[in-house]
Amino acid sequence: DAKTTQPNSMESNEEEPVHLPCNHSTISGTDYIHWYRQLPSQGPEYVIHGLTSNVNNRMASLAIAEDRKSSTLILHRATLRDAAVYYCILDSGYSTLTFGKGTMLLVSP
Amino acid sequence: DADVTQTPRNRITKTGKRIMLECSQTKGHDRMYWYRQDPGLGLRLIYYSFDVKDINKGEISDGYSVSRQAQAKFSLSLESAIPNQTALYFCATSDYGTPDNEQFFGPGTRLTVL
Repeated sequence: DAKTTQPNSMESNEEEPVHLPCNHSTISGTDYIHWYRQLPSQGPEYVIHGLTSNVNNRMASLAIAEDRKSSTLILHRATLRDAAVYYCILDSGYSTLTFGKGTMLLVSP
Repeated sequence: DADVTQTPRNRITKTGKRIMLECSQTKGHDRMYWYRQDPGLGLRLIYYSFDVKDINKGEISDGYSVSRQAQAKFSLSLESAIPNQTALYFCATSDYGTPDNEQFFGPGTRLTVL
């Protein structure tokens, strides 16, 4: 299975943009890039996904490198509620997701 | 009301006991999943079911069994619990055929095996 590499943790200040990187150098042509986040004491929740083009939704933006070997989740204005573990996951289309350790995002007031 | 519910939310049991964790969903999804999470680690897939007659082993199925009683219900059993099965267990669901394959997670069951 294609793997992803993320920093263990990142810090941000409230109301500043946050760029969470993910490397996936062995991604295959049909793999979707998914991002989930897990708030403290909760189950993971879907954030965004993409295949080749950059994507935007109400929660975040996803920037995908032209060679698709890396991607960046962008939170435009971090809030305290965005403090969570963020998982970058490749989906080959067989409907099972493999979660790594993710990036713990700390947001300071 | 929550779309994906898990019962119990917390359970303490002893080594050797049989335990059942239950998951129910009101989203009408065909696909259901059981994951476990250990402290500081990501989620690992135990079992998954694409419909009522379909059951598949995940990454760490040893020591666990499942039952898909209906489209809306998916139960996880520990036949003889052992301490290293102490973990946080999550149930999830997803729809068939959606291109984003979004999974919806329950609130989790914290299981402690003494």
